Amino acid sequence: GQQVMQIPQYQHVQEGEDFTTYCNSSTTLSNIQWYKQRPGGHPVFLIQLVKSGEVKKQKRLTFQFGEAKKNSSLHITATQTTDVGTYFCAGPRRNTDKLIFGTGTRLQVFP
Amino acid sequence: GAGVSQTPSNKVTEKGKYVELRCDPISGHTALYWYRQSLGQGPEFLIYFQGTGAADDSGLPNDRFFAVRPEGSVSTLKIQRTERGDSAVYLCASSLNGQGRVTDTQYFGPGTRLTVL
Repeated sequence: GQQVMQIPQYQHVQEGEDFTTYCNSSTTLSNIQWYKQRPGGHPVFLIQLVKSGEVKKQKRLTFQFGEAKKNSSLHITATQTTDVGTYFCAGPRRNTDKLIFGTGTRLQVFP
Repeated sequence: GAGVSQTPSNKVTEKGKYVELRCDPISGHTALYWYRQSLGQGPEFLIYFQGTGAADDSGLPNDRFFAVRPEGSVSTLKIQRTERGDSAVYLCASSLNGQGRVTDTQYFGPGTRLTVL
């Protein structure tokens, strides 16, 4: 069945360093969504990418959707301690709103 | 309401008992989703409602799990004869339209942490 994998599983960075997580789907996606989950919290929607090759920015966060619409990345510039959490990508199963979540990347930022 | 709410926030029960978990979606959202999240994992889809009907229940693990949404708003996830393996955080999400509209954003509730002893 459809699978969505993320690497790395964990990332520890010093505050101020950059961070990137990569998301790969076994099938082509109509769109890719990114969520952030703080420790003990629930997933919070960050952004959705729809077009092939699309790049969107939110302050220090840059999201990219691959040309083949099977992979995506999230890059954080100059991490801060408030960036701590697990970042999930998610894509809908074809022609449904059933989201398949990635395995997540847990980010820890040391001050 | 301001967001998706779920009750209770925590539920501890004994193996073999019956539990009900409640979800109040954002007012006006026709689509409602239930997910289960185990420690260190991403949310796993359970069931999706479009209005009052279950449009996709393919994620329910077995027939001990059942969900309803009788009036197209509040939903209840019901688990019979709970097992220790059912312990997880059960998340509810809602979106405006569903129906395969790929631009819909899902908004998650805070979840119910279920512990089966």
